[in-house]
Amino acid sequence: QVQLQESGPGLVKPSQTLSLTCTVSGASISSSGYYWSWIRQHPGKGLDWIGNIYYSGSTYYNPSLESRLAISVDTSKNQFSLKLRFLTAADTAVYYCAREKGGDYYFDYWGQGTLVTVSS
Amino acid sequence: QSALTQPASVSGSPGQSITISCTGTSSYVGTYNLVSWYQQEPGKAPKLMIHEVSKRPSGVSNRFSGSKSGNTASLTISGLQAEDEADYYCCSYASTNIYVFGTGTKVTVL
Repeated sequence: QVQLQESGPGLVKPSQTLSLTCTVSGASISSSGYYWSWIRQHPGKGLDWIGNIYYSGSTYYNPSLESRLAISVDTSKNQFSLKLRFLTAADTAVYYCAREKGGDYYFDYWGQGTLVTVSS
Repeated sequence: QSALTQPASVSGSPGQSITISCTGTSSYVGTYNLVSWYQQEPGKAPKLMIHEVSKRPSGVSNRFSGSKSGNTASLTISGLQAEDEADYYCCSYASTNIYVFGTGTKVTVL
């Protein structure tokens, strides 16, 4: 059974950098044909795709976040990570990591999500 | 990129069928058969219900079906049950290697 688990701080100060990690179990992050995505959901709002990464390190980012965003992968730990810089209150959201079926373009497994609050 | 447009809410009585629409543009929804649908219960992560417009993953009830016409995709829930009450989101892949989600629809079982 594929499982994803987000980890990181629940509270971050404005202007700082958010660092989140997603640990994958039950599947290899190096499996061909799968991308690994970050998706967020502002409180009471809809879902927003943040970006994704392939095990080779190739990334695609949401243009609205691209200037502040970096996604990386650590195949030795079966993890991928997100760094989002220059945080504001507008970045307060539940952050999900998800597995993405490449070529078919859907998210078949999701983490439980982690709430990140940006506040001083 | 703007979010795909969904009705804010749809309701139905047990046993009825309801349809949720998801309207995009030719860049999203219209060009590719790459629309997926997700069910989200309160406080939980989204769950894949339909992919590639009309394909149902293993384990998802056959009461859920998807279709597409032009720039609008649809999710139909037949034989509505109390357990179907949740938020539903459509999602489309775009040729620019990004994804766009719908605005979300709250389904209420009367």
